[in-house]
Amino acid sequence: AQTVTQSQPEMSVQEAETVTLSCTYDTSESDYYLFWYKQPPSRQMILVIRQEAYKQQNATENRFSVNFQKAAKSFSLKISDSQLGDAAMYFCAARWSGNTPLVFGKGTRLSVIA
Amino acid sequence: GAGVSQTPSNKVTEKGKYVELRCDPISGHTALYWYRQSLGQGPEFLIYFQGTGAADDSGLPNDRFFAVRPEGSVSTLKIQRTERGDSAVYLCASSLTAGGPVDTQYFGPGTRLTVL
Repeated sequence: AQTVTQSQPEMSVQEAETVTLSCTYDTSESDYYLFWYKQPPSRQMILVIRQEAYKQQNATENRFSVNFQKAAKSFSLKISDSQLGDAAMYFCAARWSGNTPLVFGKGTRLSVIA
Repeated sequence: GAGVSQTPSNKVTEKGKYVELRCDPISGHTALYWYRQSLGQGPEFLIYFQGTGAADDSGLPNDRFFAVRPEGSVSTLKIQRTERGDSAVYLCASSLTAGGPVDTQYFGPGTRLTVL
């Protein structure tokens, strides 16, 4: 079975500091897509960043970047210069080629301390 | 509309009743997905549509759950004889196509269903 695992139920970070959220996945596929979504209390899932497995270069979006280690099946999210508005649930998700529904991890609740 | 919309925002019903949850995708998006998110969990896939047809309904838990998308736009998730275990947030997402290399799923705010 193809699975996504987030081993950190909760994390906290001081405002302006950097935090890394972990995600691992299990698949025998060679072609897939990885995502980080943010879910604030409003429930709206917001795409933070995406990575195509065939790309070696790590994706970046402003203060958000990923560390994609394909051999280790690891896909961590780094948030730099953390802001109060970053506080939310963060979900790692994967979409395997030819199977379009997303598979999600259980999430990591991030708190940002002023 | 600008984003995916879902109605109602919250729905409280009694055990055994029938409910309908509505999703209005982003205009022009041909693929539409339903997920269920139980408390403390990540979303779990239920069903997705490519156009009007259900391309994959393998996530529907049992035959009490059914979804339609008759005109290839708005979709309705229907739950018959609701049970307390059906209580969850039901999320809808849409994407431009299904399975393409640049497809990203955009989510609505969800419907929180509470079965008493």
